Amino acid sequence: SHELTQALSLSVVLGQTANITCGGDIIGNKNVHWYQQRPGQAPVLVIYRDSNRPSGIPERFSGSNSGNTATLTISRAQGGDEADYYCQVWDSSFWVFGGGTKLTVL
Amino acid sequence: EVQLVESGGVVVQPGGSLRLSCAASGFTFEDYVMNWVRQVPGKGLEWVSLSGWDGDNTFYADSVKGRFTVSRDNSKNSLYLQMNSLKPEDTALYYCVKALGAGYGSAFDHWGQGTLVTVSS
Repeated sequence: SHELTQALSLSVVLGQTANITCGGDIIGNKNVHWYQQRPGQAPVLVIYRDSNRPSGIPERFSGSNSGNTATLTISRAQGGDEADYYCQVWDSSFWVFGGGTKLTVL
Repeated sequence: EVQLVESGGVVVQPGGSLRLSCAASGFTFEDYVMNWVRQVPGKGLEWVSLSGWDGDNTFYADSVKGRFTVSRDNSKNSLYLQMNSLKPEDTALYYCVKALGAGYGSAFDHWGQGTLVTVSS
């Protein structure tokens, strides 16, 4: 089965760039989706198929995927970006989520 | 506007059964894959089950396979999760989730607010 590895936590200074990574064997061969979950709220899709932004998601959010690592990049981080972020892939017959990264904006 | 409203979450004893429902609106329900995802409060997301557009093709996490059954009624715009032989580790907030498209690997573009299932004696 596919496992996705995310750092438990990451801190970023207000206005700087946060890179949230998701590791997995040959993840570069799969479509990776990313979700943001603010405290007490349902998750929100922020990036799909590696690098596509749904409507309403700011251009500050971008994604890439190559080799064994997918990356969600948040530019010009804002206080509202403080949340848990999860990566996700489809592995033929089941979905896998990463364990989530808690982003703190300092 | 897409809306997904879950219901049916209650406190149930270990070994018991429960049926969750999800009422969908704001989109053509029969055109989309639907999923159930659960989350223990304070923990990460765990995918539970997927239903293809017609309900004939379904997939399950190993942790619930053989105990849970997903179904849908496209005439009622509703998704269901029949949960049998419940265990304490099934305690979680259960989300009804719409996929972005009809493909099984489509991202989850809309989530309900969840219904809480507690398995405890």
